[in-house]
Amino acid sequence: NAGVTQTPKFQVLKTGQSMTLQCAQDMNHEYMSWYRQDPGMGLRLIHYSVGAGITDQGEVPNGYNVSRSTTEDFPLRLLSAAPSQTSVYFCASGATSGGGDTQYFGPGTRLTVL
Amino acid sequence: GNSVTQMEGPVTLSEEAFLTINCTYTATGYPSLFWYVQYPGEGLQLLLKATKADDKGSNKGFEATYRKETTSFHLEKGSVQVSDSAVYFCALTDPIKAAGNKLTFGGGTRVLVKP
Repeated sequence: NAGVTQTPKFQVLKTGQSMTLQCAQDMNHEYMSWYRQDPGMGLRLIHYSVGAGITDQGEVPNGYNVSRSTTEDFPLRLLSAAPSQTSVYFCASGATSGGGDTQYFGPGTRLTVL
Repeated sequence: GNSVTQMEGPVTLSEEAFLTINCTYTATGYPSLFWYVQYPGEGLQLLLKATKADDKGSNKGFEATYRKETTSFHLEKGSVQVSDSAVYFCALTDPIKAAGNKLTFGGGTRVLVKP
Protein backbone atom coordinates (compact mmCIF):
# COMPACT_ATOMS: atom_id res chain seq x y z
CA ASN A 1 0.00 0.00 0.00
CA ALA A 2 1.94 3.02 -1.28
CA GLY A 3 -0.62 5.62 -0.09
CA VAL A 4 -0.43 8.90 -2.00
CA THR A 5 2.41 9.23 -4.48
CA GLN A 6 3.52 12.33 -6.36
CA THR A 7 5.93 12.84 -9.24
CA PRO A 8 8.25 14.54 -9.84
CA LYS A 9 9.80 15.49 -6.47
CA PHE A 10 11.54 18.54 -7.94
CA GLN A 11 10.97 20.53 -11.12
CA VAL A 12 12.41 23.70 -12.61
CA LEU A 13 10.48 25.45 -15.37
CA LYS A 14 10.93 28.57 -17.41
CA THR A 15 8.18 31.18 -17.54
CA GLY A 16 5.55 30.18 -20.09
CA GLN A 17 6.28 26.45 -20.06
CA SER A 18 3.57 23.96 -19.24
CA MET A 19 3.76 20.77 -17.23
CA THR A 20 1.70 18.21 -15.33
CA LEU A 21 2.21 17.22 -11.72
CA GLN A 22 1.16 13.64 -11.17
CA CYS A 23 -0.74 12.32 -8.15
CA ALA A 24 -1.97 8.79 -7.53
CA GLN A 25 -3.51 6.97 -4.57
CA ASP A 26 -4.08 3.26 -4.07
CA MET A 27 -6.57 3.45 -1.20
CA ASN A 28 -9.71 3.68 -3.36
CA HIS A 29 -10.40 7.11 -1.90
CA GLU A 30 -13.30 9.12 -3.21
CA TYR A 31 -11.93 12.56 -2.40
CA MET A 32 -8.70 14.05 -3.81
CA SER A 33 -7.29 17.55 -3.71
CA TRP A 34 -4.31 19.74 -4.52
CA TYR A 35 -2.75 22.32 -2.20
CA ARG A 36 0.13 24.71 -2.55
CA GLN A 37 2.36 25.62 0.38
CA ASP A 38 3.99 29.01 0.58
CA PRO A 39 6.07 30.35 3.50
CA GLY A 40 3.95 31.73 6.33
CA MET A 41 0.68 31.04 4.51
CA GLY A 42 -0.01 27.45 5.40
CA LEU A 43 -1.54 25.38 2.64
CA ARG A 44 -4.13 26.74 0.22
CA LEU A 45 -6.56 24.64 -1.78
CA ILE A 46 -6.17 24.78 -5.57
CA HIS A 47 -8.67 22.21 -6.89
CA TYR A 48 -10.50 19.21 -5.52
CA SER A 49 -12.53 16.22 -6.69
CA VAL A 50 -15.28 14.28 -4.96
CA GLY A 51 -15.10 11.37 -7.41
CA ALA A 52 -14.15 10.35 -10.93
CA GLY A 53 -15.41 12.87 -13.46
CA ILE A 54 -16.17 15.54 -10.84
CA THR A 55 -13.84 18.45 -10.07
CA ASP A 56 -14.23 21.91 -8.60
CA GLN A 57 -12.19 24.98 -7.79
CA GLY A 58 -10.64 25.77 -4.46
CA GLU A 59 -9.25 29.01 -3.08
CA VAL A 60 -6.48 29.65 -5.63
CA PRO A 61 -7.40 27.92 -8.94
CA ASN A 62 -6.11 30.45 -11.49
CA GLY A 63 -3.42 29.09 -13.78
CA TYR A 64 -4.16 25.45 -12.97
CA ASN A 65 -6.33 22.74 -14.52
CA VAL A 66 -7.32 19.33 -13.22
CA SER A 67 -9.21 16.28 -14.40
CA ARG A 68 -10.23 13.03 -12.71
CA SER A 69 -10.75 10.26 -15.23
CA THR A 70 -10.09 7.46 -12.73
CA THR A 71 -10.49 7.06 -8.98
CA GLU A 72 -6.73 6.63 -8.56
CA ASP A 73 -5.27 9.58 -10.47
CA PHE A 74 -5.64 13.34 -10.11
CA PRO A 75 -3.08 15.26 -12.22
CA LEU A 76 -2.54 19.01 -11.87
CA ARG A 77 -1.68 20.93 -15.03
CA LEU A 78 0.12 24.25 -15.17
CA LEU A 79 -0.93 25.85 -18.43
CA SER A 80 1.69 28.61 -18.70
CA ALA A 81 4.03 28.71 -15.73
CA ALA A 82 4.66 32.00 -13.92
CA PRO A 83 7.18 32.85 -11.17
CA SER A 84 4.21 33.29 -8.78
CA GLN A 85 3.61 29.55 -9.11
CA THR A 86 6.93 28.75 -7.46
CA SER A 87 5.79 26.71 -4.48
CA VAL A 88 5.59 23.27 -2.94
CA TYR A 89 2.57 21.32 -4.17
CA PHE A 90 0.84 18.63 -2.14
CA CYS A 91 -1.78 16.17 -3.24
CA ALA A 92 -4.12 14.68 -0.65
CA SER A 93 -6.85 12.06 -0.56
CA GLY A 94 -9.64 11.10 1.81
CA ALA A 95 -12.01 8.16 1.95
CA THR A 96 -15.11 10.33 1.54
CA SER A 97 -16.10 13.97 1.27
CA GLY A 98 -17.16 13.96 4.91
CA GLY A 99 -15.74 16.85 6.91
CA GLY A 100 -14.35 14.74 9.73
CA ASP A 101 -12.39 12.36 7.54
CA THR A 102 -8.63 12.09 7.81
CA GLN A 103 -6.81 13.21 4.70
CA TYR A 104 -3.56 11.62 3.58
CA PHE A 105 -0.90 13.74 1.95
CA GLY A 106 1.73 12.90 -0.62
CA PRO A 107 5.41 13.83 -0.17
CA GLY A 108 5.12 16.97 -2.29
CA THR A 109 6.58 18.44 -5.48
CA ARG A 110 8.89 21.42 -5.19
CA LEU A 111 8.42 23.62 -8.26
CA THR A 112 10.61 26.56 -9.23
CA VAL A 113 9.60 28.83 -12.10
CA LEU A 114 12.37 31.05 -13.44
CA GLY B 1 -15.25 32.80 5.37
CA ASN B 2 -13.46 30.25 7.49
CA SER B 3 -10.06 31.04 8.96
CA VAL B 4 -7.48 29.57 11.32
CA THR B 5 -4.98 31.59 13.33
CA GLN B 6 -2.04 30.00 15.07
CA MET B 7 0.94 31.41 16.87
CA GLU B 8 3.91 32.29 14.73
CA GLY B 9 7.16 30.53 15.28
CA PRO B 10 9.75 29.52 15.50
CA VAL B 11 9.30 28.06 18.95
CA THR B 12 12.59 26.86 20.41
CA LEU B 13 12.53 24.55 23.41
CA SER B 14 14.83 22.32 25.37
CA GLU B 15 14.19 18.60 25.53
CA GLU B 16 11.59 17.62 28.17
CA ALA B 17 10.06 21.10 28.16
CA PHE B 18 6.30 21.71 27.96
CA LEU B 19 4.96 22.72 24.56
CA THR B 20 1.83 24.73 23.80
CA ILE B 21 0.83 25.96 20.36
CA ASN B 22 -2.24 28.18 20.33
CA CYS B 23 -4.86 27.83 17.62
CA THR B 24 -8.12 29.73 17.24
CA TYR B 25 -10.62 29.53 14.42
CA THR B 26 -13.54 31.28 12.75
CA ALA B 27 -16.16 29.12 11.09
CA THR B 28 -19.89 28.72 10.66
CA GLY B 29 -21.56 25.78 12.31
CA TYR B 30 -19.53 23.01 13.90
CA PRO B 31 -16.27 22.37 12.07
CA SER B 32 -14.01 19.40 12.57
CA LEU B 33 -10.58 20.43 13.87
CA PHE B 34 -7.20 18.92 13.08
CA TRP B 35 -3.53 19.17 13.88
CA TYR B 36 -1.20 18.07 11.10
CA VAL B 37 2.58 17.75 11.47
CA GLN B 38 5.23 18.14 8.78
CA TYR B 39 8.65 16.69 9.50
CA PRO B 40 11.60 18.09 7.52
CA GLY B 41 11.45 17.16 3.86
CA GLU B 42 8.16 15.28 4.18
CA GLY B 43 4.49 15.76 3.49
CA LEU B 44 1.85 16.43 6.13
CA GLN B 45 0.51 13.71 8.36
CA LEU B 46 -2.41 13.79 10.73
CA LEU B 47 -1.37 14.17 14.36
CA LEU B 48 -4.82 14.29 15.98
CA LYS B 49 -8.36 15.49 15.40
CA ALA B 50 -11.65 16.30 17.14
CA THR B 51 -15.01 16.35 15.42
CA LYS B 52 -17.31 17.86 18.05
CA ALA B 53 -17.21 20.28 20.96
CA ASP B 54 -15.39 19.13 24.12
CA ASP B 55 -13.78 16.21 22.29
CA LYS B 56 -10.12 15.67 23.10
CA GLY B 57 -7.80 14.38 20.40
CA SER B 58 -4.57 12.70 21.46
CA ASN B 59 -1.64 10.95 19.82
CA LYS B 60 2.09 10.46 20.53
CA GLY B 61 1.79 12.38 23.82
CA PHE B 62 0.13 15.38 22.15
CA GLU B 63 -3.34 16.53 23.16
CA ALA B 64 -5.84 19.16 22.03
CA THR B 65 -9.39 19.87 23.21
CA TYR B 66 -12.12 21.30 20.99
CA ARG B 67 -13.39 24.39 22.86
CA LYS B 68 -16.47 25.78 21.17
CA GLU B 69 -16.91 28.61 23.68
CA THR B 70 -13.45 30.04 22.96
CA THR B 71 -13.23 28.74 19.34
CA SER B 72 -9.87 27.22 20.16
CA PHE B 73 -7.95 23.97 19.66
CA HIS B 74 -4.61 24.46 21.40
CA LEU B 75 -1.97 21.76 21.03
CA GLU B 76 -0.02 20.62 24.11
CA LYS B 77 2.69 18.12 24.96
CA GLY B 78 4.08 17.66 28.43
CA SER B 79 7.65 16.65 27.59
CA VAL B 80 9.02 17.22 24.10
CA GLN B 81 11.80 15.28 22.41
CA VAL B 82 14.25 16.28 19.70
CA SER B 83 12.23 14.10 17.32
CA ASP B 84 9.23 16.46 17.79
CA SER B 85 11.04 19.15 15.82
CA ALA B 86 8.69 19.87 12.93
CA VAL B 87 6.14 22.33 11.57
CA TYR B 88 2.67 22.01 13.11
CA PHE B 89 -0.47 23.07 11.27
CA CYS B 90 -3.89 23.67 12.77
CA ALA B 91 -6.75 23.15 10.30
CA LEU B 92 -10.52 22.83 10.03
CA THR B 93 -13.15 21.50 7.69
CA ASP B 94 -16.58 23.05 7.41
CA PRO B 95 -19.31 20.40 7.33
CA ILE B 96 -21.95 22.88 6.24
CA LYS B 97 -20.51 23.32 2.80
CA ALA B 98 -20.82 20.65 0.14
CA ALA B 99 -17.61 18.65 -0.25
CA GLY B 100 -16.93 19.27 3.43
CA ASN B 101 -13.46 17.81 3.31
CA LYS B 102 -11.86 21.06 2.16
CA LEU B 103 -9.22 21.94 4.72
CA THR B 104 -8.54 25.51 5.84
CA PHE B 105 -5.05 25.76 7.35
CA GLY B 106 -3.32 28.10 9.72
CA GLY B 107 0.08 29.46 8.73
CA GLY B 108 2.02 26.76 10.58
CA THR B 109 4.28 26.91 13.64
CA ARG B 110 7.85 25.70 13.41
CA VAL B 111 9.06 23.95 16.57
CA LEU B 112 12.73 23.30 17.24
CA VAL B 113 13.66 21.10 20.20
CA LYS B 114 17.28 21.25 21.32
CA PRO B 115 19.00 18.47 23.27
